[in-house]
Amino acid sequence: DGGITQSPKYLFRKEGQNVTLSCEQNLNHDAMYWYRQDPGQGLRLIYYSQIVNDFQKGDIAEGYSVSREKKESFPLTVTSAQKNPTAFYLCASSILSTEQFFGPGTRLTVL
Amino acid sequence: QKEVEQDPGPLSVPEGAIVSLNCTYSNSAFQYFMWYRQYSRKGPELLMYTYSSGNKEDGRFTAQVDKSSKYISLFIRDSQPSDSATYLCAMLEYGNKLVFGAGTILRVKS
Repeated sequence: DGGITQSPKYLFRKEGQNVTLSCEQNLNHDAMYWYRQDPGQGLRLIYYSQIVNDFQKGDIAEGYSVSREKKESFPLTVTSAQKNPTAFYLCASSILSTEQFFGPGTRLTVL
Repeated sequence: QKEVEQDPGPLSVPEGAIVSLNCTYSNSAFQYFMWYRQYSRKGPELLMYTYSSGNKEDGRFTAQVDKSSKYISLFIRDSQPSDSATYLCAMLEYGNKLVFGAGTILRVKS
């Protein structure tokens, strides 16, 4: 089955801790994206990558970092510099930016 | 003012009703318009995708774009309890990023 997988489904972080969210796709898509979703707000773009070894900041990149060493993988690290990290994180991929396909999401909670 | 405005709802309708979901936008450069459906605690799934103005139909779903009014709509005919979800509109200026509305919660009661 082709698709996007995200792990873990639920993640808990202590204050001052860095955590990494996994995103893998086997759709052979060049572009991958990370979004954050908060209640009552639309999806906000954190980072995106259109090609391996290259990525750009989105609207809310502060406190986050990414890497794109393989076409299939685009992990997101939530660093201790992100002051309000509790949210639902969504990874997406696309051939063209017009049709983005989303993974099932990771819910991150700060303890 | 947000680039994309969407009433959060919730919108509650009886089974079999026609549902109308809407978004307005301010950026006249948007060319691509999408509707995503998101079930609780899941990722969004692409429902409809329209380029420029006009209507597009897919089964019980019809997407409508009026660029002159900067207004898009999604109509659901013969609504079912399984249609209960959050519906997100999204728009794109080619070469730029996708901009999402906040989402409308729809509840279809049997």
